[in-house]
Amino acid sequence: EPEVTQTPSHQVTQMGQEVILRCVPISNHLYFYWYRQILGQKVEFLVSFYNNEISEKSEIFDDQFSVERPDGSNFTLKIRSTKLEDSAMYFCASGGLAGGNEQYFGPGTRLTVT
Amino acid sequence: QKEVEQDPGPLSVPEGAIVSLNCTYSNSAFQYFMWYRQYSRKGPELLMYTYSSGNKEDGRFTAQVDKSSKYISLFIRDSQPSDSATYLCAMSDYNTGNQFYFGTGTSLTVIP
Repeated sequence: EPEVTQTPSHQVTQMGQEVILRCVPISNHLYFYWYRQILGQKVEFLVSFYNNEISEKSEIFDDQFSVERPDGSNFTLKIRSTKLEDSAMYFCASGGLAGGNEQYFGPGTRLTVT
Repeated sequence: QKEVEQDPGPLSVPEGAIVSLNCTYSNSAFQYFMWYRQYSRKGPELLMYTYSSGNKEDGRFTAQVDKSSKYISLFIRDSQPSDSATYLCAMSDYNTGNQFYFGTGTSLTVIP
């Protein structure tokens, strides 16, 4: 069964550094998302991406964040100048032709900023 | 942001019990309703989705949506220890894109 994959599973970085989180969505899906979950809190929407551009973003997704689909398979989230409060699980999700009614999540990348 | 409310539990039931999990919401524009299961330190796994009001059944799982009351439920019949997880409700309004709004999740333990 196709699944969303994410790398790395755990990333430790120092405050102020840049990190890139990588995702391989399900191959025939057209909609891609990033969410985050701070420990003990709700899963929060960051951004959605369709047709090679951002279709929607939340207030959390400020200039510190960017997304890219550099090739036909990968979808990345870049966080510039990381802060302590960026420590969280970051989930990538993808959705199919139905427009994202069903979103399938990857296993997540645990980001720890020290 | 309190658009979606969910009792965090924890909820503990004996094996074989019927489990009822619920969420309420405030945004009447929500049309798509999802239930996810999340094991510790794993990604949410889609269990069920429904559109608008009504019931949907899949094996031991039944999802109910009551838009007039802004209330959704997930029922698990014949609960198993392997059902022990956190259950997240999520919903979206197509008019604002495909952003999902999640509840906090309900932690469920099924005791053998």
